[in-house]
Amino acid sequence: ETGVTQSPTHLIKTRGQQVTLRCSSQSGHNTVSWYQQALGQGPQFIFQYYREEENGRGNFPPRFSGLQFPNYSSELNVNALELDDSALYLCASSSYGTSETDTQYFGPGTRLTVL
Amino acid sequence: GDSVTQMEGPVTLSEEAFLTINCTYTATGYPSLFWYVQYPGEGLQLLLKATKADDKGSNKGFEATYRKETTSFHLEKGSVQVSDSAVYFCALSLYKLSFGAGTTVTVRA
Repeated sequence: ETGVTQSPTHLIKTRGQQVTLRCSSQSGHNTVSWYQQALGQGPQFIFQYYREEENGRGNFPPRFSGLQFPNYSSELNVNALELDDSALYLCASSSYGTSETDTQYFGPGTRLTVL
Repeated sequence: GDSVTQMEGPVTLSEEAFLTINCTYTATGYPSLFWYVQYPGEGLQLLLKATKADDKGSNKGFEATYRKETTSFHLEKGSVQVSDSAVYFCALSLYKLSFGAGTTVTVRA
């Protein structure tokens, strides 16, 4: 069974640029959620995708957007990067509609630094 | 809104000591409760979970019991090892995960 994978591992961007982060869900999972974890804090929910549509969103501005593909992989796009966007971005997958609906499994994260 | 409050750290223990990390929650509805662990430079690993009142989750010597009457889900381990040094997060799930701030645990040999 393949776990959740994310790419790239690290990324350095400058203010105003755009970035795309990628996530492959665990095999058998159909739902992907994205979280932002600032240094020393707990993860904050950005949004969730199910059946290629956004299925809930946290308190993040529209410049945070996402996609889910037919193979359940996902992208997180952030436009007009700000210094405060520097964080660890975590992707998690789960299997909606099963007894494990609530259980999310995380990838290793992408460390984004905005200069 | 839904929220989780967990014991502030850092917590420093000697090997074989007893560990407790307190966690309380506020939620509308009946959430599932989780403990995740994060080792330095890594993502989150699911440690244990409980899906309804009075359920006990357990894994690798860690235990936590879902207490609806006190809205709590305290994490315990009877004898910690150096390898248990990590950041521990309590979380609740109502389609999305809401996390506590995390508790840093350091175990000294």
